[in-house]
Amino acid sequence: EAQVTQNPRYLITVTGKKLTVTCSQNMNHEYMSWYRQDPGLGLRQIYYSMNVEVTDKGDVPEGYKVSRKEKRNFPLILESPSPNQTSLYFCASSPWPGAIQYFGAGTRLSVL
Amino acid sequence: GQQLNQSPQSMFIQEGEDVSMNCTSSSIFNTWLWYKQEPGEGPVLLIALYKAGELTSNGRLTAQFGITRKDSFLNISASIPSDVGIYFCAGQPNNDMRFGAGTRLTVKP
Repeated sequence: EAQVTQNPRYLITVTGKKLTVTCSQNMNHEYMSWYRQDPGLGLRQIYYSMNVEVTDKGDVPEGYKVSRKEKRNFPLILESPSPNQTSLYFCASSPWPGAIQYFGAGTRLSVL
Repeated sequence: GQQLNQSPQSMFIQEGEDVSMNCTSSSIFNTWLWYKQEPGEGPVLLIALYKAGELTSNGRLTAQFGITRKDSFLNISASIPSDVGIYFCAGQPNNDMRFGAGTRLTVKP
């Protein structure tokens, strides 16, 4: 089954404690993205990757890092989380930037 | 970043009514996409538009890519209770993706 898998689904952490949210896709897609969703703001792109070892900043990259060492995986790293990063995060993948994006089920992060 | 304005923010309609929502952009987009999100899930694609002027239907849904490439609309005809959810427009200005803030649709039986 074609899918985007992100883990964990829920995470509560404290300010400053490094964390990683994993994302994996099994569709051999070139393009992968991370978004955060906040009430009234829709989805905002954090980072995207056109291919292995190619990553670019989206609309709201501050406080986040990503890596794309393998085509299928695109982890999101928060080196020093802060309360304003409390949000719902989605990973997505597609064959190319404007194509249909397949979204993961979301990770709800709370930073205390 | 480029502004993408989606309206209305929310709609409360009676089952059977038609619905219309739209998005406008401050700059030209190469692609317009419309997604629906239900509670606890990620967005799911409804319609993709790739050419200016393109009009595409998917069942009771119809969407158009504006001639100026700065706007798009989504229409839902004869709404049913399962149409409830948040609808998002998304556009591709370059290699990045921009989403509207969403239209929350409530359908009363």
